[in-house]
Amino acid sequence: DTGVSQDPRHKITKRGQNVTFRCDPISEHNRLYWYRQTLGQGPEFLTYFQNEAQLEKSRLLSDRFSAERPKGSFSTLEIQRTEQGDSAMYLCASSLDKGAGQYFGPGTRLTVT
Amino acid sequence: AQTVTQSQPEMSVQEAETVTLSCTYDTSESDYYLFWYKQPPSRQMILVIRQEAYKQQNATENRFSVNFQKAAKSFSLKISDSQLGDAAMYFCAYRPRTGANSKLTFGKGITLSVRP
Repeated sequence: DTGVSQDPRHKITKRGQNVTFRCDPISEHNRLYWYRQTLGQGPEFLTYFQNEAQLEKSRLLSDRFSAERPKGSFSTLEIQRTEQGDSAMYLCASSLDKGAGQYFGPGTRLTVT
Repeated sequence: AQTVTQSQPEMSVQEAETVTLSCTYDTSESDYYLFWYKQPPSRQMILVIRQEAYKQQNATENRFSVNFQKAAKSFSLKISDSQLGDAAMYFCAYRPRTGANSKLTFGKGITLSVRP
């Protein structure tokens, strides 16, 4: 049994470059979430998928951000034209149903220089 | 909008002692879930305990228990027999039970240190 995995664990990029992160949820979980966490803060919701459908997006998710979950399995989060303010930990979580707790991956730490 | 407040940024406890972490929340919903998550330094977030608002009985998981006061919108976490491995950042989180909104709303967290 494996938990939620994320790749890469760390990413350093120059401002203006595009980056893509991947999340593999727990295999039987149909719900997948992306959060962003900055230092000393709690995670903030970005977006949510139920199977392959993206059902909710935060106002934090600007036009430069896009997320996909093809075939309802893994998900990708892409940030275009990165800005220094995008530097954060990007967390992925999955759950089996709405009432269950969400299980988090180790996160991808993004540093934009 | 729902909000979660953790007003104590840091707490410290002696090993083997008991510590209580506070959390308050604001919501107009009557049915929801509350969670405590633990985030050790440089490690991933772990679900510690979950409480369903319609259940009056406080949740318990081994050394971890909650004091859920629905009328006061208070949800504190008690850690008994504290261990060095309990040192971490602890986040309180809320999620409504009904409706399409499925996201967790987190507090800012509290850093717990354990003194040997």
